[in-house]
Amino acid sequence: EADIYQTPRYLVIGTGKKITLECSQTMGHDKMYWYQQDPGMELHLIHYSYGVNSTEKGDLSSESTVSRIRTEHFPLTLESARPSHTSQYLCASRSGVGDTYEQYFGPGTRLTVT
Amino acid sequence: KNEVEQSPQNLTAQEGEFITINCSYSVGISALHWLQQHPGGGIVSLFMLSSGKKKHGRLIATINIQEKHSSLHITASHPRDSAVYICAVTIRGSNYKLTFGKGTLLTVNP
Repeated sequence: EADIYQTPRYLVIGTGKKITLECSQTMGHDKMYWYQQDPGMELHLIHYSYGVNSTEKGDLSSESTVSRIRTEHFPLTLESARPSHTSQYLCASRSGVGDTYEQYFGPGTRLTVT
Repeated sequence: KNEVEQSPQNLTAQEGEFITINCSYSVGISALHWLQQHPGGGIVSLFMLSSGKKKHGRLIATINIQEKHSSLHITASHPRDSAVYICAVTIRGSNYKLTFGKGTLLTVNP
């Protein structure tokens, strides 16, 4: 059973607000990922981390930022939310070196910016 | 052109039917994943394959590396199987990142 948590699950917020989406995992995984998914569309990687103090931008350009100060915690921040940020945000983690390890996904945060 | 293509995009079946969802990819991969996403829910990993075939309950996943093709089969489908099924690959040399297909929306009617 994967233990990866995201809060909040749903968020409706006005334009210009600063928001932080939380992601935590209790599996001790070193690799963590943030994906963005618009309705009916595929997931796109926006940020990833291979360990503490390591963060990289993903394939899809995003105005969000991330931090990785603790192994278990990988928050995503939007300094000034805009309607174009409305989407679902999914966090994932995995362990191991090499490509043949599963990713475990959180339940997602559905963000609506009005 | 997407590196990962799934077909069909939408599939409606009657309970009990045998279902096949296909995934083709155009790059060298080290692993292929089949994922399940329920409406409003998160994503569950069903299979990870690098060769051959895997079975879990009523689900079977196969991969043909030479043809760059994978299939997900569901036997004796049930309405609770209704979900989006996503094919994803780890492209060789991509540093553990997944590349996703658009998904197949499966609806199983009672």
